[in-house]
Amino acid sequence: NAGVTQTPKFRVLKTGQSMTLLCAQDMNHEYMYWYRQDPGMGLRLIHYSVGEGTTAKGEVPDGYNVSRLKKQNFLLGLESAAPSQTSVYFCASTRTVNQPQHFGDGTRLSIL
Amino acid sequence: GDSVTQMEGPVTLSEEAFLTINCTYTATGYPSLFWYVQYPGEGLQLLLKATKADDKGSNKGFEATYRKETTSFHLEKGSVQVSDSAVYFCALSGYSGAGSYQLTFGKGTKLSVIP
Repeated sequence: NAGVTQTPKFRVLKTGQSMTLLCAQDMNHEYMYWYRQDPGMGLRLIHYSVGEGTTAKGEVPDGYNVSRLKKQNFLLGLESAAPSQTSVYFCASTRTVNQPQHFGDGTRLSIL
Repeated sequence: GDSVTQMEGPVTLSEEAFLTINCTYTATGYPSLFWYVQYPGEGLQLLLKATKADDKGSNKGFEATYRKETTSFHLEKGSVQVSDSAVYFCALSGYSGAGSYQLTFGKGTKLSVIP
């Protein structure tokens, strides 16, 4: 049972490039989340989804877009990468509200 | 809005020492409270949870009690091991509107246990 899988695990981009991070879960969870983790900042919510076809903004949404075309996948896009987006990105999912979230192993993204 | 404040680290302990990591929160309503642990190079894993006042969550020798009167959820372990070395995050789950709950995290406390 894979749980939450994130791809890629590492990536280096140049400023201005675009890319998409993929999150896939095989637990039939309704809710999915994208976070970024920066030193001394804990985890901050970027965007989330409460079901297939829905998305909503979190605490730090600027510079990111998301899509949830299929229930099992949640994509995070960077249209024009900036050095300030250098971070470790985590995806998480949960079956119902107010329940523990299951996390992927993260994507380490560096933007030069 | 909701917030979580946990003690800043890093914390360094000798093996078999007693551990306390303080966590206090601010939230409207009655949030659920969680402790997550992150081992090097990995994602976060749920360590324990409590969903209402006076509940005690426990797992792997760790405990935390939901104290509504002091808005606290301190993590404790009686005897730490080298394998407990990790970053620990306190979090609360609060209603964010539109039928959704969001986790609000503390900044994390890095624990190092030395033999």
